[in-house]
Amino acid sequence: AQTVTQSQPEMSVQEAETVTLSCTYDTSESDYYLFWYKQPPSRQMILVIRQEAYKQQNATENRFSVNFQKAAKSFSLKISDSQLGDAAMYFCAYRSQIQGAQKLVFGQGTRLTINP
Amino acid sequence: EAQVTQNPRYLITVTGKKLTVTCSQNMNHEYMSWYRQDPGLGLRQIYYSMNVEVTDKGDVPEGYKVSRKEKRNFPLILESPSPNQTSLYFCASRNRGFRDYGYTFGSGTRLTVV
Repeated sequence: AQTVTQSQPEMSVQEAETVTLSCTYDTSESDYYLFWYKQPPSRQMILVIRQEAYKQQNATENRFSVNFQKAAKSFSLKISDSQLGDAAMYFCAYRSQIQGAQKLVFGQGTRLTINP
Repeated sequence: EAQVTQNPRYLITVTGKKLTVTCSQNMNHEYMSWYRQDPGLGLRQIYYSMNVEVTDKGDVPEGYKVSRKEKRNFPLILESPSPNQTSLYFCASRNRGFRDYGYTFGSGTRLTVV
């Protein structure tokens, strides 16, 4: 079974600085998807960024980028120019690409605080 | 607006009193899932459905039931709730296409069982 580990329960960063959230996963599969979700105090789960395992190029979405290291099974999220609105719980998630695979496997989450 | 709608948003109930959390999506998605979120454990899948009348267990199905009689609706049923089912619940849906654009989540239901 696949597992996802976020080893940083809490992180904090100064506004306008850069922060990196860590995520490692364990799988024997070669094709899969990886995601970062943001959960602000409103509880809504918001997709931040996604990565397809067959793509070597790291995904980017504006101030958010990932460092995908397939061999090391690592998928870290970098937030540049941190803003107060980035404060949230962040979840890393894995989904198999096997046909019919339904389950998102989530990490434990990292609570990010932005200091003004 | 494309969305997944869950109701209620908050619910406090007593042990053993049957309840249903509703979930409806307006995106014509085939795939729907229920997750529960607990501190330190992230989100775990309870049940999922790949289409009408097709449902299957996730990782933590004990104490829950689901049904998928219509494509848009996927209610979560707790026949006899217990305090260990106190949690934050999310319904989510996505399309069946090859490209996975990620699940769309509802706003969550905070359930407390006393």
